[in-house]
Formats: sequence, structure tokens, C-alpha cells
Amino acid sequence: DAKTTQPNSMESNEEEPVHLPCNHSTISGTDYIHWYRQLPSQGPEYVIHGLTSNVNNRMASLAIAEDRKSSTLILHRATLRDAAVYYCIPGGDSNYQLIWGAGTKLIIKP
Amino acid sequence: NAGVTQTPKFQVLKTGQSMTLQCAQDMNHEYMSWYRQDPGMGLRLIHYSVGAGITDQGEVPNGYNVSRSTTEDFPLRLLSAAPSQTSVYFCASSLYNTGELFFGEGSRLTVL
Repeated sequence: DAKTTQPNSMESNEEEPVHLPCNHSTISGTDYIHWYRQLPSQGPEYVIHGLTSNVNNRMASLAIAEDRKSSTLILHRATLRDAAVYYCIPGGDSNYQLIWGAGTKLIIKP
Repeated sequence: NAGVTQTPKFQVLKTGQSMTLQCAQDMNHEYMSWYRQDPGMGLRLIHYSVGAGITDQGEVPNGYNVSRSTTEDFPLRLLSAAPSQTSVYFCASSLYNTGELFFGEGSRLTVL
């Protein structure tokens, strides 16, 4: 299983971009990189996932390093509603092999 | 669609009591699972199911039982609650084995 390293917490200002880093130096060649987030007192929700290329969706962008040992989740314009814990989870064969770490707590300042 | 619905949202038990946490999904997902989340930590997988009649153990299955008689429902049973089972429990479902997970809002359980 790939080990991940994420900052415990980050702060950002409202309406500014946010870059959430994740190191996964032991990732295997077939592991996708999944990002979920968990708003206070709610269940996790899917944000984005990717394998090699950068990925975009309505919520965020995912930038994956060329060697795949790190990735960055980009929120283009943070709002107060984006305050959550963000989990970076490498995994491939099954959802049931995903290892959930403690994630990064993102604090958005008005 | 209601998505994934968990009941109850809160429960207090005494040591040794039994109870069932209910989970239902209306998305016709084959894959369902139960997780627990302790303070400041990520989720840990308890049990999962890849379809009606099929269940398997996750990382922390001891003290919990599951069954899957229908596609929609996946209850989690605690036969004899212990204080170590105090946690927040999340049910999730997905269409595929590696697809996006949809989570319920959680059930907060306290065992005294």
C-alpha cells in the first residue's frame, strides 16, 4: 500500500486559490490518486481522481507530478464552504484497499 | 434520489447491549461498505459487500456482523457493545468496485 504524507492543516483566504499537496512516493504504477473531502459533521464526498494526466472537474483540478510521487489538489477560488478535511488516497484495484489517513484540515478565512 | 441513508444519527448504548445500524441506498449500487472514524483519524473499513448475499471483512471487523439480503440495505450489527466501539460510523456505496464512493451522513455511537 502506498504511504501518503499530507500537511495536518492549511489556511487560505476566501476567494483565493488553494493548493493542497500530497506526497505518495511509494505509489505503484497502476494506482489511481483519489481525493475526498469531509465537511464538518458530514460523510466524506468524492472530489476528483486521476492516474497520470492532470484532471479537471467542476469542483477542482488535480495536478500529478511526472514521476507520480506527488500530487496537488487545486481549488481555484476557495469559498467558506470549502473548509473541510481533504484526504489524498492512492489506490487501484479496489475501493476496499484504500487506506484513509488523517488528511489535511483546510481553514478558509473570510 | 435520497442517496445513502443511515439511521439512527445518534445512539447511546450501555456495555453489553446490542443494536443495529441501518444503511439504505436507492442508487442500485452493488457495492456497499461500513467504516468507522475515530477522532482525528481517517476511516477504517469494517465490512463490505460486493452484492446481495456476499459480504467480506475489512480492516477492523471484530465485534461487528453484517448481512446483505437485498441490494438496497446493508445493516451493521453490534452484538455486545464495548466502549472501544464508541465512534462515528459511515456507510458507503458505489456502482463499481473502484468507482466513486457515496457516503451517508454518519451515525454517532457512544458506548458507556
